[in-house]
Amino acid sequence: QVQLQQWGAGLLKPAETLSLTCAVQGDSLTDYYWAWIRQPPGKGLEWIGEVFYRGGTNYSPSLQSRFTISIDTSKNQFSLKSTSVTAADTAVYYCARGQYTFRSGSTTYYFDYWGPGVLVTVS
Amino acid sequence: QSVLTQPPSVSAAPGLKVTISCSGGPSDVGNNFVSWYQQFPGTAPKLLIYDTIKRSSGIPDRFSGSKSGTSATLAITGLQTGDEADYYCASWDTSLNTEKFGGGTKLTVL
Repeated sequence: QVQLQQWGAGLLKPAETLSLTCAVQGDSLTDYYWAWIRQPPGKGLEWIGEVFYRGGTNYSPSLQSRFTISIDTSKNQFSLKSTSVTAADTAVYYCARGQYTFRSGSTTYYFDYWGPGVLVTVS
Repeated sequence: QSVLTQPPSVSAAPGLKVTISCSGGPSDVGNNFVSWYQQFPGTAPKLLIYDTIKRSSGIPDRFSGSKSGTSATLAITGLQTGDEADYYCASWDTSLNTEKFGGGTKLTVL
């Protein structure tokens, strides 16, 4: 059974650095995309970006300049960092396993396992 | 933040059927597969439907997905009080190279 466990600082001041880590248990990182998704209080889900097990990354165009996703296959972990956070970054941050396939001219991309989420408050 | 369009809320009585729509455009829903997630308060989203019509492991056949053009639909039959939750659709946007989520729909079972 795949389980994602995540941790990181939950209370930050403006301009500080956000740093979260997600550890994958029950499977290796191989062949999957590993994503970060956030949800501001009372609002919807927002995809931040992803890292492939080989290290390639892809980010939401609106967030690309502020977030960095990295992977450590030796520890079966991946991480999210953001410098200079603001109150607008207050949200529950989820890590998730992404299944991505391109076939017949169409893309399927969905998240089958999620971490429990970490509330990050910037105040 | 780019979002797909969902109704903010839907409601129906127990035992009945409800549908939740998800509207996008030609570069996302119109040309790619759609997934659906169920989220209870204070918990992580759970995958219900992927590849537009396939149910995730353990999801009862009361839940089904479909798509027509640039709009997708989640249908839930035989509504139960335990189905009360927020539901989100999602699809890859080929033009923006990003995953889009819907704004979410709150289901109330009256």
